[in-house]
Amino acid sequence: DTGVSQDPRHKITKRGQNVTFRCDPISEHNRLYWYRQTLGQGPEFLTYFQNEAQLEKSRLLSDRFSAERPKGSFSTLEIQRTEQGDSAMYLCASSLVLRRENSGNTIYFGEGSWLTVV
Amino acid sequence: QKEVEQDPGPLSVPEGAIVSLNCTYSNSAFQYFMWYRQYSRKGPELLMYTYSSGNKEDGRFTAQVDKSSKYISLFIRDSQPSDSATYLCAMSGYGGATNKLIFGTGTLLAVQP
Repeated sequence: DTGVSQDPRHKITKRGQNVTFRCDPISEHNRLYWYRQTLGQGPEFLTYFQNEAQLEKSRLLSDRFSAERPKGSFSTLEIQRTEQGDSAMYLCASSLVLRRENSGNTIYFGEGSWLTVV
Repeated sequence: QKEVEQDPGPLSVPEGAIVSLNCTYSNSAFQYFMWYRQYSRKGPELLMYTYSSGNKEDGRFTAQVDKSSKYISLFIRDSQPSDSATYLCAMSGYGGATNKLIFGTGTLLAVQP
């Protein structure tokens, strides 16, 4: 079990540029999440996928953000025309959803991708 | 008002002390309660998971949930300098524990040797 892997770990970009982050979930996990975390705050939900289907998007996910999970395995999060307010840590997480309501499955996070927009 | 409130600290204790960390919440639909530990510039690491009310113990860690008061706690016994980190409470409701999590802001803990 290699855990949730994110790439790159750090990215510095100029305002207005596009950036893309990649997430490889734990191999048997069918659900994948993206969160954003700023300094001194807890992670905030952005979106999640069940296999390749994007099931929910937060209001935080503006039109400049797009997430994909084309084959139900890895996922990408792209931010277009970056703004300084996008500077944050972008966290990917995954879980295995079973049909039982209180199955006890939990969400495991990657190490995050730090974005600095200058 | 935020759905989940957590005192940001910082909380500083001597090595060996018992640490108490707490969160309150407003959404009665929450059924699943978790505590994550996060070291500086790292991703959150799951520590404890509890479904509904009650206590759960794992080594030096005990999680308590009081749904009637909408209050959850994490106790750390015999605290160690390696416990120094930010502790995040998280919770979810509808859809089970694998639905999206709502986090507190985190409490920064420093255990002094």
